[in-house]
Amino acid sequence: AQRVTQPEKLLSVFKGAPVELKCNYSYSGSPELFWYVQYSRQRLQLLLRHISRESIKGFTADLNKGETSFHLKKPFAQEEDSAMYYCALKSSGTYKYIFGTGTRLKVLA
Amino acid sequence: KAGVTQTPRYLIKTRGQQVTLSCSPISGHRSVSWYQQTPGQGLQFLFEYFSETQRNKGNFPGRFSGRQFSNSRSEMNVSTLELGDSALYLCASNPGSTNEKLFFGSGTQLSVL
Repeated sequence: AQRVTQPEKLLSVFKGAPVELKCNYSYSGSPELFWYVQYSRQRLQLLLRHISRESIKGFTADLNKGETSFHLKKPFAQEEDSAMYYCALKSSGTYKYIFGTGTRLKVLA
Repeated sequence: KAGVTQTPRYLIKTRGQQVTLSCSPISGHRSVSWYQQTPGQGLQFLFEYFSETQRNKGNFPGRFSGRQFSNSRSEMNVSTLELGDSALYLCASNPGSTNEKLFFGSGTQLSVL
């Protein structure tokens, strides 16, 4: 069964500390992985996707097929990074996204 | 371009009633998908439409249905409402290609009493 697991509901870090939001997935084929973010009072929006291999707002994520993980990382957290982060999986060639339950990141001053 | 528009923003219904939610995608976007968001379950995929055809469906009972019109606007209907249907219903659009990102609306908050 296809599944996305985000083990942490809440992650609190201090400003300037490294951040790692964990995401593990279960999928038998070639998945497409994404991170979506929802800032306070804003809409859910795409942060990054694994096929782009890009860094957005200092965040990166590497797809590890051996560990079936797609952890989101940032070396130095900023207060404006405080938000709800969702990891999502899309079956290749389909239009169905499976989202994790989300991790709330709080960056403390 | 205007973003994805969902109406109404809030709805209060009682058990057994039915409800219709509306979603207008970004101009030019032909794919519309619907998600149910609850605190415990996160976002769960309901269905996706493209050019008035349902291409994918999630694991929800038949009480949940949808449709898409020729102008790409979409509606979602829930019949015989249950307390557990209380949730934020999100609509997302994209141009229609599988490698395009989703653009989300603000959602319709449904409360079933």
